[in-house]
Amino acid sequence: DADVTQTPRNRITKTGKRIMLECSQTKGHDRMYWYRQDPGLGLRLIYYSFDVKDINKGEISDGYSVSRQAQAKFSLSLESAIPNQTALYFCATSDFGGDYIDTQYFGPGTRLTVL
Amino acid sequence: GQSLEQPSEVTAVEGAIVQINCTYQTSGFYGLSWYQQHDGGAPTFLSYNALDGLEETGRFSSFLSRSDSYGYLLLQELQMKDSASYFCAVRDLGYNFNKFYFGSGTKLNVKP
Repeated sequence: DADVTQTPRNRITKTGKRIMLECSQTKGHDRMYWYRQDPGLGLRLIYYSFDVKDINKGEISDGYSVSRQAQAKFSLSLESAIPNQTALYFCATSDFGGDYIDTQYFGPGTRLTVL
Repeated sequence: GQSLEQPSEVTAVEGAIVQINCTYQTSGFYGLSWYQQHDGGAPTFLSYNALDGLEETGRFSSFLSRSDSYGYLLLQELQMKDSASYFCAVRDLGYNFNKFYFGSGTKLNVKP
């Protein structure tokens, strides 16, 4: 089974609708992240969380909100979806591993289309 | 903040060696990481440099020079399966130490 899972994998919705993307992990990591990927722009950080009591904005948080329901679950919501939020969304986890190696573990991604 | 620049696309032939550069402007970071992403897939971790110098992992090597604000990923004995996008990334230093920044990615095309 995958360590980081995302649901749904694909979603088509209409402008103005509220959408929730969910992420679960079995790696036991404290840190969880939501990224957005657009062609030619790489990965941009939306929100990140150090633990269930810690939520931080990333580079592009406007129009998004998150909820850290448990150590293993981190949800991203689009309160009122708009077409320029059409993108590939990735959840990731990380842990401060031995030898100071920082590694991010990504889920399979959710492809969101807003019409 | 952090800014990382990479070439948008590189083409090389099977069996060759290719270098993907990453230049950055940062206020400080822990180390430079590299990720691989195949079309339709998720990014996966490749390599990490905490200190200046070369790190080797099989066919892949990564280099960092903090004094030159520069790093690169070196892929040797290229295979068709190496066709993918490659991203450099840093983790912020200081108050935002849980925050990662990614470059825009380099698409590597490996030709027969």
